[in-house]
Amino acid sequence: EVHLLESGGGLVQPGGSLRVSCAASGFTFSNYAMSWVRQAPGKGLVWVSAISGSGADTFYADSVKGRFTISRDNSKSTLFLQMSSLRAEDTAVYYCAKYSGSSWYGGYWHFDLWGRGALVTVSS
Amino acid sequence: DIQMTQSPSSLSASVGDRVTITCRASQSITNYLNWYQQKPGKAPKLLIYAASSLQSGVPSRFSGSGSGTDFTLTISSLQPEDFATYYCQQSYSTPPTFGQGTKVEIK
Repeated sequence: EVHLLESGGGLVQPGGSLRVSCAASGFTFSNYAMSWVRQAPGKGLVWVSAISGSGADTFYADSVKGRFTISRDNSKSTLFLQMSSLRAEDTAVYYCAKYSGSSWYGGYWHFDLWGRGALVTVSS
Repeated sequence: DIQMTQSPSSLSASVGDRVTITCRASQSITNYLNWYQQKPGKAPKLLIYAASSLQSGVPSRFSGSGSGTDFTLTISSLQPEDFATYYCQQSYSTPPTFGQGTKVEIK
């Protein structure tokens, strides 16, 4: 069965750092681009970052560029999001999501699998 | 960035009703439009991709239509398990963007 499971969420002070992980199973991880999408409490879905299947290409939302780093370990089928210089407005549930293809080029892609999410709270 | 606007933001309906949700893009996205369902405390679930293609395992009462800037998600006969929030999302350009969501509540 295909599955994504996030871990590493928690409470962190403003200006601090945190790494969330996403363990994948049930599919050939390296064949698919992956993404992080976040959802602030009571709010909608916001795309954060993406990485191609090989890890060679990455993309970030302007709101996190320079503060967040997406990476992946294809040998361990795991996706990461390293977050630094965290702000109160970064408080959200962070979902990892699987693209339907190896990259986001071409347009005909969608998020066909989502994890349960990891709650990140930035507060003093 | 392409802005996605859904209407209505919320609606109340009864079991068996036909429900229609609209999504409008700030520029043409051809048919690069996906729909997701999210229940409280749960992850989003893909319903429709490429504007009108039904994801495997999704009931046939869900359907999507549209192209260019205007799109529609229709639930032909609302079931108790369909009460949720629905989001559209464009895959035409990066960054991908979502609509603000439409919450479907029980009347």
